[in-house]
Amino acid sequence: SYVLTQPPSVSEAPGQTARIPCGGDDIGSKSVHWYQQKLGLAPVLIVYDDSARPSGIPERFSGSNSGGTATLTISRVEAGDEADYYCQVWDYDSDQWVFGGGTKLAVL
Amino acid sequence: QVLLVESGGGVVQPGRSLRLSCAASGFTFNSHGMHWVRQAPGKGLEWVAAIWYDGSKKFYADSVRGRCTISRDNSKNTVYMEMSSLKVEDTAVYYCARVRAVTIIDAFHIWGQGTTVTVSS
Repeated sequence: SYVLTQPPSVSEAPGQTARIPCGGDDIGSKSVHWYQQKLGLAPVLIVYDDSARPSGIPERFSGSNSGGTATLTISRVEAGDEADYYCQVWDYDSDQWVFGGGTKLAVL
Repeated sequence: QVLLVESGGGVVQPGRSLRLSCAASGFTFNSHGMHWVRQAPGKGLEWVAAIWYDGSKKFYADSVRGRCTISRDNSKNTVYMEMSSLKVEDTAVYYCARVRAVTIIDAFHIWGQGTTVTVSS
């Protein structure tokens, strides 16, 4: 089955740029979506189709998918960005939807 | 207001069955694919099942195939998850989610608040 790999944690100081990678076999051929989940709450879609943002999501959140890795970039990190972040794809070979293991962002 | 509200969770013994419901409002329910996603305590998100907008196609994670059945009633704006032969490892918060556009492979845009299933003797 398809596997998405994320680092367990990333930390960054306020005002800096945080980058969260998501790796998977031939991930460049897939559409990658990103979700933010704050403690005790349901996930929120923050990036879809590699780099598009739903309405209401700040421009500080951006995504890319190239060079064998999908990346969520959070510019000008704020304390309120502390959360778990998950990447997700649809695996067309198995007709299954796959989440990465999640990355906890700590704002120092 | 677009809303998904799950219900039906609870404490159940191993081997028993449970039916989860997800009531939708604020959008044209019969135009969107729907999913169930779960999250075990302290763990990450795990996709469970999906159903086309019209119920004609269904998909399951390997971990639940044969034990779970997803269905929908478009006249009631509700999607269901029937779970049988429950195992301790099925303990989780279960979320229903609506796809962003129409196609079932689109991102999960709208999420419910979740319903908790605890499998324990």
